Amino acid sequence: GENVEQHPSTLSVQEGDSAVIKCTYSDSASNYFPWYKQELGKGPQLIIDIRSNVGEKKDQRIAVTLNKTAKHFSLHITETQPEDSAVYFCAASISGGYQKVTFGTGTKLQVIP
Amino acid sequence: ETGVTQTPRHLVMGMTNKKSLKCEQHLGHNAMYWYKQSAKKPLELMFVYSLEERVENNSVPSRFSPECPNSSHLFLHLHTLQPEDSALYLCASSQGLEGTKNIQYFGAGTRLSVL
Repeated sequence: GENVEQHPSTLSVQEGDSAVIKCTYSDSASNYFPWYKQELGKGPQLIIDIRSNVGEKKDQRIAVTLNKTAKHFSLHITETQPEDSAVYFCAASISGGYQKVTFGTGTKLQVIP
Repeated sequence: ETGVTQTPRHLVMGMTNKKSLKCEQHLGHNAMYWYKQSAKKPLELMFVYSLEERVENNSVPSRFSPECPNSSHLFLHLHTLQPEDSALYLCASSQGLEGTKNIQYFGAGTRLSVL
């Protein structure tokens, strides 16, 4: 089955700096890569996603890049703010009749004011 | 609010108790999921229902018993749990199972402690 590795497990940045979280996946059949943000006391919320026919996608301060050859994808947050502090999960989904989503282990991001 | 509501938010139970977790979605979705979230581990998919039929049972012990009476409601019945079952149990829903319909929306979870 699919295996998703996520690094780093914790990340501290100064407010205004950029943060980058990296994930690798094992199954070349994966074609959908969502990113979730989980704030304290809440469930994960989808913040951005990318499909395998696209190399990069941006949404305001958040961007995701995908390298299909190397089987890795990354989340980039620019101009970080204290409200960006949360746990971020990457995930990969294998194409097929039922697209099971496999999650990474999460990255706890702390933005220091 | 995500449109997925889980109750209770917190639950403490003994190993001999029987309890149930409830999930309700107000998004008109056709698929619902149960996940287990433990510290420093990836989200573990437990069960998937599509149009009230179970499509995935991810090697979950029989002490966890799901029920999906309709596409808006999902239950997880618990009995004779073990302390290692203590975790955050998350419910999610999606429009469907395939392609762009598989974007999942999560509830806030039930924090379960087994004593």
